[in-house]
Amino acid sequence: EPEVTQTPSHQVTQMGQEVILRCVPISNHLYFYWYRQILGQKVEFLVSFYNNEISEKSEIFDDQFSVERPDGSNFTLKIRSTKLEDSAMYFCASSEARGAGEKLFFGSGTQLSVL
Amino acid sequence: AQTVTQSQPEMSVQEAETVTLSCTYDTSESNYYLFWYKQPPSRQMILVIRQEAYKQQNATENRFSVNFQKAAKSFSLKISDSQLGDTAMYFCAFMVNYQLIWGAGTKLIIKP
Repeated sequence: EPEVTQTPSHQVTQMGQEVILRCVPISNHLYFYWYRQILGQKVEFLVSFYNNEISEKSEIFDDQFSVERPDGSNFTLKIRSTKLEDSAMYFCASSEARGAGEKLFFGSGTQLSVL
Repeated sequence: AQTVTQSQPEMSVQEAETVTLSCTYDTSESNYYLFWYKQPPSRQMILVIRQEAYKQQNATENRFSVNFQKAAKSFSLKISDSQLGDTAMYFCAFMVNYQLIWGAGTKLIIKP
């Protein structure tokens, strides 16, 4: 079965540094998402992306965050100036269509540690 | 506020037993979808089962079934004939405004 691939699996960075988390969605999927899970807390929605535009974003997704589809296969999440509270597991997901019951396919996540 | 509550942080059962994971939620939406996702040690979130709120019939997928009580806003997951490979975190979630709202998860351990 096709999979969503995320790299790296672990990322350690210093506070204030920029990080880019990378995702390769399933090839025929058109909708892309980022979710995150801070240790001990619930999974939270960050952003959805379609046709090179943000479709929805949460309050968490402030100006420090940006997403991009730089080519036909990658989908990236950039954090411009990391803070300690950005430490979390970041999950990328993709779906074939956009619907209330649409099945999202998730990657295995990138564990981001900000020191 | 739209919330999902999973009241069982951890459960363990013997292989081949049946186990039920609880989930309650709160939303003002009239139509929505509910999901159970499984997260094994590989960390990948895998969809187990989904239920459309306006369908009264409970969804089933092989050994997995749900007990959906819309009035009570309850959406429990039953796993029959549990297998060692079912050991994982299980998350209940519902989708509103194309965003998944998640519960805190239940860690399920299947013992041999």
